[in-house]
Amino acid sequence: QQQVKQSPQSLIVQKGGISIINCAYENTAFDYFPWYQQFPGKGPALLIAIRPDVSEKKEGRFTISFNKSAKQFSLHIMDSQPGDSATYFCAARKAGTASKLTFGTGTRLQVTL
Amino acid sequence: GAGVSQSPSNKVTEKGKDVELRCDPISGHTALYWYRQSLGQGLEFLIYFQGNSAPDKSGLPSDRFSAERTGGSVSTLTIQRTQQEDSAVYLCASSTRLAGEQYFGPGTRLTVT
Repeated sequence: QQQVKQSPQSLIVQKGGISIINCAYENTAFDYFPWYQQFPGKGPALLIAIRPDVSEKKEGRFTISFNKSAKQFSLHIMDSQPGDSATYFCAARKAGTASKLTFGTGTRLQVTL
Repeated sequence: GAGVSQSPSNKVTEKGKDVELRCDPISGHTALYWYRQSLGQGLEFLIYFQGNSAPDKSGLPSDRFSAERTGGSVSTLTIQRTQQEDSAVYLCASSTRLAGEQYFGPGTRLTVT
């Protein structure tokens, strides 16, 4: 049973465009939702995270939108740049404890010139 | 400061051999996690250590997999009698108990021939 579903599997966006990656979760006990960015040969790096008491969080060009009733959250990358080309993973974790993350299957983003 | 380090970066082994993978967490981080990333897949939780508490081994795929954490710092993941399906990137992450944000190492790429 896949508890966090991520789409699309791959995405091609032109430079300057908006990249949108979506995730849906099933477990209502999840209360912390991070996004990780992974470059080839590197470990995932925390990009931005949100808790469900807010509907949106923005850090620079990266925004998380959160819809608690729909159990969905998404990552928006504004003004996408070639350097953003990487694999992005959404994840979820039960709040209050330093417990395991449940990851989506990843989205490979390619930003073209 | 230094991040999470893992060794070796690459390991090629023959089917049936045992392997040991090492993780050095960020100094002061009390929680340590092991994940497995198969080609084109998301990250799969394996095991989690928190301080002196009993580890959460719920993600270990078989009894061929084991892990220990000595002195609350360095951790070793051991895979006995390796199989070809064990080929993957093994990632280690650490976090403080309270913050919970997980910081990943670069991973060990294991290839079983």
